[in-house]
Amino acid sequence: KQEVTQIPAALSVPEGENLVLNCSFTDSAIYNLQWFRQDPGKGLTSLLLIQSSQREQTSGRLNASLDKSSGRSTLYIAASQPGDSATYLCAGGDNYGQNFVFGPGTRLSVLP
Amino acid sequence: DAGVIQSPRHEVTEMGQEVTLRCKPISGHDYLFWYRQTMMRGLELLIYFNNNVPIDDSGMPEDRFSAKMPNASFSTLKIQPSEPRDSAVYFCASSFGQGIGYTFGSGTRLTVV
Repeated sequence: KQEVTQIPAALSVPEGENLVLNCSFTDSAIYNLQWFRQDPGKGLTSLLLIQSSQREQTSGRLNASLDKSSGRSTLYIAASQPGDSATYLCAGGDNYGQNFVFGPGTRLSVLP
Repeated sequence: DAGVIQSPRHEVTEMGQEVTLRCKPISGHDYLFWYRQTMMRGLELLIYFNNNVPIDDSGMPEDRFSAKMPNASFSTLKIQPSEPRDSAVYFCASSFGQGIGYTFGSGTRLTVV
């Protein structure tokens, strides 16, 4: 059964810093991987989707990578801003890319 | 499109009562998912549908939980009878295949007293 972990559980950084969030999964047969953002009291918003044939995806200041062989994914946020403060969750897709198993999330605080 | 629409936003009910949560997915999406989120267990998949057909309901905790998708634009999650341990935020999400366009609703916060 796929298990997803995220380190650290919480992170606090000053505005402007570059940062990396880590995600690990136990089953290397992962098909795809998504990073989501969740603001307090809200639903999740998909940030980046890395499909099976891809190794990374970029959107603006965000870059996510996927290394199936090591069971890891990272989310890189450049030049962090207070508006980036949220909980970030990664989710690994099963071999059909549909059933996503979510990690517990990293709660990020970017201080002005 | 208005996104995935869930109702109600908040529900407070007494133990033993029936609770029905509703979801309208994004038009054109093939897949619909029901999740439950708690502090202790995080986000858990309860059931998902493909083209209105239930594909995997292994996450449904007990027979007290049931889900239906009578058409492409509507789904319900029913709990009967409800128990205090069912208190959680329930999310509905929809997507195209392979996780493309994965969109969550705003959730229903359920409190069973």
